[in-house]
Amino acid sequence: AQSVTQLDSQVPVFEEAPVELRCNYSSSVSVYLFWYVQYPNQGLQLLLKYLSGSTLVKGINGFEAEFNKSQTSFHLRKPSVHISDTAEYFCAVTTFSGGYNKLIFGAGTRLAVHP
Amino acid sequence: SQTIHQWPATLVQPVGSPLSLECTVEGTSNPNLYWYRQAAGRGLQLLFYSVGIGQISSEVPQNLSASRPQDRQFILSSKKLLLSDSGFYLCAAGTVPLYEQYFGPGTRLTVT
Repeated sequence: AQSVTQLDSQVPVFEEAPVELRCNYSSSVSVYLFWYVQYPNQGLQLLLKYLSGSTLVKGINGFEAEFNKSQTSFHLRKPSVHISDTAEYFCAVTTFSGGYNKLIFGAGTRLAVHP
Repeated sequence: SQTIHQWPATLVQPVGSPLSLECTVEGTSNPNLYWYRQAAGRGLQLLFYSVGIGQISSEVPQNLSASRPQDRQFILSSKKLLLSDSGFYLCAAGTVPLYEQYFGPGTRLTVT
């Protein structure tokens, strides 16, 4: 069964510093990968997705992620973070069963940006 | 693009009372629909999914049930709430072949 591991539960970082949030998934078969962001008391917003093609995916708010098939990783990066990036970030992978897709989520990484 | 509506936004209910949370979707037809629960400080747990009207699959045996009376309406219910039902409930919609899911704003349920 598919699983997603987010290696860091919390990541503190200073404003304007770079950040990397790590994500590993379990399966080596074709996968579709996603990063979502959740601000306090809100739903999840899609940051970016990898379906196929270029392994470097650019998303909203200056975030990007790199799909690495050999390492089964999909790490999220931003070269310079802002206070407003403080949020919970979830990595997810699609699994298919019976004609529908399900998303398997990681446990989340709380990004705290400090001034 | 899809818009997911959920209500109520917050709810405080006593143990043993019934529950009904509603989710409606705009901007797409025949979506796959999902209910998730997020406990405090934890990830998302898939509760139910539906691929069409009247078609509900449960991921986790529990005190809750779901129904889909219309194509773009998804309802989460309980006959008697437990303290452990407290959490943040999220509705999501997805369409094949886009694969990703779009989420509603969520309902914060506190069972007292």
